[in-house]
Amino acid sequence: GDSVTQMEGPVTLSEEAFLTINCTYTATGYPSLFWYVQYPGEGLQLLLKATKADDKGSNKGFEATYRKETTSFHLEKGSVQVSDSAVYFCALSDRSSWGKLQFGAGTQVVVTP
Amino acid sequence: EPEVTQTPSHQVTQMGQEVILRCVPISNHLYFYWYRQILGQKVEFLVSFYNNEISEKSEIFDDQFSVERPDGSNFTLKIRSTKLEDSAMYFCASSSGSGTGNPYEQYFGPGTRLTVT
Repeated sequence: GDSVTQMEGPVTLSEEAFLTINCTYTATGYPSLFWYVQYPGEGLQLLLKATKADDKGSNKGFEATYRKETTSFHLEKGSVQVSDSAVYFCALSDRSSWGKLQFGAGTQVVVTP
Repeated sequence: EPEVTQTPSHQVTQMGQEVILRCVPISNHLYFYWYRQILGQKVEFLVSFYNNEISEKSEIFDDQFSVERPDGSNFTLKIRSTKLEDSAMYFCASSSGSGTGNPYEQYFGPGTRLTVT
């Protein structure tokens, strides 16, 4: 079945550092790919998305490119802030499955001043 | 901006009791979902609901669980006889099912933390 694998955390880095969180997926169809963010004590917020190969999703300085050839959707940000400390979830949705989201395990990111 | 709301934010119940978690999806959305997140673990799909019936459900969603859309606005998840292992954060989500872009893009509520003692 479909699945998502993302790098384990926690990832600890200093303010203004470059952030990469790796995400790879397995899917039989042509999924849409998402990054969700969960700030401490809050629910899930959609950070960005990409619906087809080579699409680049971007939001709040974060970017991710849908790479079909490597089945990847890595999240990047050039200069993180303390406020980016959160858990980041990679997810996929196969349109043949009524939009059900399959989530990765989540990666906790801690940004220190 | 429209949002998904959930009540209560925290529910404490004793093992064996029935609980109902409530959600109000975004008003023009057609697809509804429940997910759960056991503390420290990944978010897991429970069930999707469309046109007043279940579209898909996971292995977790056994006979102890049920969902209902009792009126035009609420979407509920019922657990008939709670177990300790049902303790988790439960998220409701909805999607439009139509329009441009990804019709299945899901908007999540803030969650209900269920604690079974």
